[in-house]
Amino acid sequence: DQQVKQNSPSLSVQEGRISILNCDYTNSMFDYFLWYKKYPAEGPTFLISISSIKDKNEDGRFTVFLNKSAKHLSLHIVPSQPGDSAVYFCAAIGWGGSQGNLIFGKGTKLSVKP
Amino acid sequence: NAGVTQTPKFRVLKTGQSMTLLCAQDMNHEYMYWYRQDPGMGLRLIHYSVGEGTTAKGEVPDGYNVSRLKKQNFLLGLESAAPSQTSVYFCASSYSGGRSGANVLTFGAGSRLTVL
Repeated sequence: DQQVKQNSPSLSVQEGRISILNCDYTNSMFDYFLWYKKYPAEGPTFLISISSIKDKNEDGRFTVFLNKSAKHLSLHIVPSQPGDSAVYFCAAIGWGGSQGNLIFGKGTKLSVKP
Repeated sequence: NAGVTQTPKFRVLKTGQSMTLLCAQDMNHEYMYWYRQDPGMGLRLIHYSVGEGTTAKGEVPDGYNVSRLKKQNFLLGLESAAPSQTSVYFCASSYSGGRSGANVLTFGAGSRLTVL
């Protein structure tokens, strides 16, 4: 049973608009969440993270929101740029776990159209 | 600064053959990891190492062995390849296992393995 779910395999957005990527989790022991971005033929790269003691973390055009009661987090990209076109993975770590205990979602492929 | 380098990038094997994937990092990271990514799946941890000479099992370790004889290298071996091991393999490393931004994983570009 998937513990980290990204229910949208793909998302298409117009350049300059907002991209919202969603992630749901089932394990209430998860207390640290990360987003990784992956371009074709490259490895994933870290984008942004959030601890469960926060509900929002912002880094430039990227903001992650965490709703613990709903076990839901989202990544907002504003404004979206063609270079943001990539696969985005949501990942979670359980209480007491380390970076090596990441549980990844299946990913959402974002396409930003000029 | 090369970061994490994986060799080979591509390999085709026949069922039953053996091979080794090599991962090298030049960032003096303590922790190293091997993941596999399959179509429609997220990354799944195969094995990891928290330091030279140590290894531990991840989520999907069966059919694989690993070794960390040197701090900068982490080898993933397939003793008898099976079609189910057709996948893209990613190596990663981190300074430690902590949650701070300094410890996020740095990934290699991946090794695509096909087992016929």
